[in-house]
Amino acid sequence: DADVTQTPRNRITKTGKRIMLECSQTKGHDRMYWYRQDPGLGLRLIYYSFDVKDINKGEISDGYSVSRQAQAKFSLSLESAIPNQTALYFCATSDRGQTNNEQFFGPGTRLTVL
Amino acid sequence: QQQVKQSPQSLIVQKGGISIINCAYENTAFDYFPWYQQFPGKGPALLIAIRPDVSEKKEGRFTISFNKSAKQFSLHIMDSQPGDSATYFCAASLNDYKLSFGAGTTVTVRA
Repeated sequence: DADVTQTPRNRITKTGKRIMLECSQTKGHDRMYWYRQDPGLGLRLIYYSFDVKDINKGEISDGYSVSRQAQAKFSLSLESAIPNQTALYFCATSDRGQTNNEQFFGPGTRLTVL
Repeated sequence: QQQVKQSPQSLIVQKGGISIINCAYENTAFDYFPWYQQFPGKGPALLIAIRPDVSEKKEGRFTISFNKSAKQFSLHIMDSQPGDSATYFCAASLNDYKLSFGAGTTVTVRA
């Protein structure tokens, strides 16, 4: 979805390096999410934010941190990357005003930690 | 521990056939059950969703069947087409915010 963009799209890094994944959206949504996708495990929630001052841990937040710089920007950081953080990472947004919480996903970032 | 269990992991169907994907959940407080479709190289996108007060919802060739007492729901893809080849995720949520996803099912439709 072009309304939700993620950078970089692919990244290879080494164990112990700090890395930041960025997400921007032009949908005007207040809620933003970070997920990781692993084969056989589906999508697991890392962090979510309902507005700039409201950030919450998801089910697998250990080893990750986030920053909501503005309503439209939500970044995910790996302070010291490890190989088992190799995965496909997705950012998503949703609108609090919608009753069905449809989430709109970005194209993903493929991260490889060597 | 996954809150939504999805099966099968993958399936192959002939063009024109029916694809069936099943999901089961434990938390009876879940009140919203969407299905997301993901094509290779893309993010997931909402396909169809149902609430527990309805037993079935149909949109075109896609139907959700919901069994509240069994805590199960399924996606049926009728008249499957090669363009339906994708990964499908079931999910469940409480109070319309956090989604718990199943592990995903890769559907391949053979022409």
